[in-house]
Amino acid sequence: QKEVEQDPGPLSVPEGAIVSLNCTYSNSAFQYFMWYRQYSRKGPELLMYTYSSGNKEDGRFTAQVDKSSKYISLFIRDSQPSDSATYLCAMSALKTSYDKVIFGPGTSLSVIP
Amino acid sequence: DTEVTQTPKHLVMGMTNKKSLKCEQHMGHRAMYWYKQKAKKPPELMFVYSYEKLSINESVPSRFSPECPNSSLLNLHLHALQPEDSALYLCASSRQGGGAHNYGYTFGSGTRLTVV
Repeated sequence: QKEVEQDPGPLSVPEGAIVSLNCTYSNSAFQYFMWYRQYSRKGPELLMYTYSSGNKEDGRFTAQVDKSSKYISLFIRDSQPSDSATYLCAMSALKTSYDKVIFGPGTSLSVIP
Repeated sequence: DTEVTQTPKHLVMGMTNKKSLKCEQHMGHRAMYWYKQKAKKPPELMFVYSYEKLSINESVPSRFSPECPNSSLLNLHLHALQPEDSALYLCASSRQGGGAHNYGYTFGSGTRLTVV
């Protein structure tokens, strides 16, 4: 079993739709959960960061973490064509003082005008 | 300044060449990273520097040689690479430590390397 699993897509939605992106993980030591957005030929950009379980909202984006189910989600409301990108979940246990992060394989999203 | 700057953006090199990738940040981050990313794959960790010391080497072949001259700079020296080393090489930095101090990585835009 991979440490972090994510549906690779591609996911195609019409503009204005609500998008749900998900990851599951196997390591119960993970405490820090992140979502990155990566446009083609660019580096990943940090979108959301959460610690432990719970929800966090930032504009059109909501991140949810359910540690009991080892499941995290990113919701995008009122999706826009500019949201078309690959979304990578990432997580860290921080067992040492180094911020070593494990990435999921990424989900490719296309928002159609 | 909230950016990680990588140069060059593109690099084509032969298998006998020696070249270097450069990464710079001025955010006061004390951890810096090299990642390798192949097309349609997630980034793979290569090296971690913490307080300018090499902390993690993820069993990377010796043809890749990292260097951290100071807290703002990170280099990756390349020698005798293979065509399969062609990839996007990403530099990242982060604040040191966990808890409220861990705000994730800031990535550069990467160097797209082609080995011919």
